[in-house]
Amino acid sequence: SSELTQDPAVSVALGQTVRITCQGDSLRSYYASWYQQKPGQAPVLVIYGKNNRPSGIPDRFSGSSSGNTASLTITGAQAEDEADYYCNSRDSSGNLIFGGGTKLTVL
Amino acid sequence: EVQLVQSGAEVKKPGESLKISCKGSGYSFTSYWIGWVRQMPGKGLEWMGIIYPGDSDTRYSPSFQGQVTISADKSISTAYLQWSSLKASDTAMYYCARLLYSSSSIWFDPWGQGTLVTVSS
Repeated sequence: SSELTQDPAVSVALGQTVRITCQGDSLRSYYASWYQQKPGQAPVLVIYGKNNRPSGIPDRFSGSSSGNTASLTITGAQAEDEADYYCNSRDSSGNLIFGGGTKLTVL
Repeated sequence: EVQLVQSGAEVKKPGESLKISCKGSGYSFTSYWIGWVRQMPGKGLEWMGIIYPGDSDTRYSPSFQGQVTISADKSISTAYLQWSSLKASDTAMYYCARLLYSSSSIWFDPWGQGTLVTVSS
């Protein structure tokens, strides 16, 4: 299957840790990248590769992978982390795929 | 600073043609793939296709093959997304983004600001 599956919505209390997951067969071969999108804004890359953060992304964001599941972890979630998060990878045919997105609410 | 700047919002009627643009700066435009991504109102991100401006090699998502045309003019560091006959269902925000990759990962960075296309009679 060349799909990536994400939970539609996740919530976290302010300052706590949250894990957002992405499942798909392609993740057994390729790492996911992760994007944050706030309302009315373009997506922003937050994690790529095994666990790399672009310049300017806080170190409370981290990535991991196990089997067919990739995870984005926010350690000590802040109010400004409330956003939609998308995972992204490729399949064996070279097609690029996005997960359906997870809406993160910070309580 | 690596930057992608997209053309402005468009309002079109069904059946009309349209070409939107994405201009790159701050890096070697011909050395990186550029991708196009659709986001319909209230929905998620969908990969449409990619182009390598160096030689115009183009790959399309099966979902968008034949529906749009992706092109590039390397002399002005600009990629394009075009439709020959718009439908109401093409109403969406369209993003361009630079594609980077390794042997085990792909990622888009940076992204353009988006071009809103509205198709309505």
